Amino acid sequence: GENVEQHPSTLSVQEGDSAVIKCTYSDSASNYFPWYKQELGKRPQLIIDIRSNVGEKKDQRIAVTLNKTAKHFSLHITETQPEDSAVYFCAANRADSWGKLQFGAGTQVVVTP
Amino acid sequence: DGGITQSPKYLFRKEGQNVTLSCEQNLNHDAMYWYRQDPGQGLRLIYYSQIVNDFQKGDIAEGYSVSREKKESFPLTVTSAQKNPTAFYLCASRAAAARDEQFFGPGTRLTVL
Repeated sequence: GENVEQHPSTLSVQEGDSAVIKCTYSDSASNYFPWYKQELGKRPQLIIDIRSNVGEKKDQRIAVTLNKTAKHFSLHITETQPEDSAVYFCAANRADSWGKLQFGAGTQVVVTP
Repeated sequence: DGGITQSPKYLFRKEGQNVTLSCEQNLNHDAMYWYRQDPGQGLRLIYYSQIVNDFQKGDIAEGYSVSREKKESFPLTVTSAQKNPTAFYLCASRAAAARDEQFFGPGTRLTVL
């Protein structure tokens, strides 16, 4: 089955700097790659997603890139702000998997003023 | 908050007891999912259901049971056979096969005393 690895496990950045989180996946048939943000004690919320027919997607300060050949995808957060502090999870699934998401272990992002 | 509710928010259980976690959605979503979250780990799939009266085991189904008698409800029972049930449990739903995004409920934190 699918295996998703996420790095780093923790990331500390100065406010205004950029943050990058990387994930690799094992199943070449995976075609949907969402990113979730989870604040302490809260539910995960989708912040951006990308499908395998697209190489990059951007939404204001966040962007996701996908390299299908290398089977990895990355989340980029620019001009980080304290409210970006949270745990970020990547995930992957394939079209015939009934929507089952395989999650990475998460990255704790801390933005210091 | 996405129309998915979970109750209770906190649940304490004595060893040897079965407990049932509630998940309700008013989004008219077909698919529903149960995940378990442990500290420092990603979300792991327990059970999922695509339609009423049908459900499948996820990656860590042992010690858990579910039912799907109504479209809007997908309760999870944690049985005494689950050896380490203390965790944060998240329910999610998805509209249909054509839409990939999963929406999460607020979660139930289960503690075994």
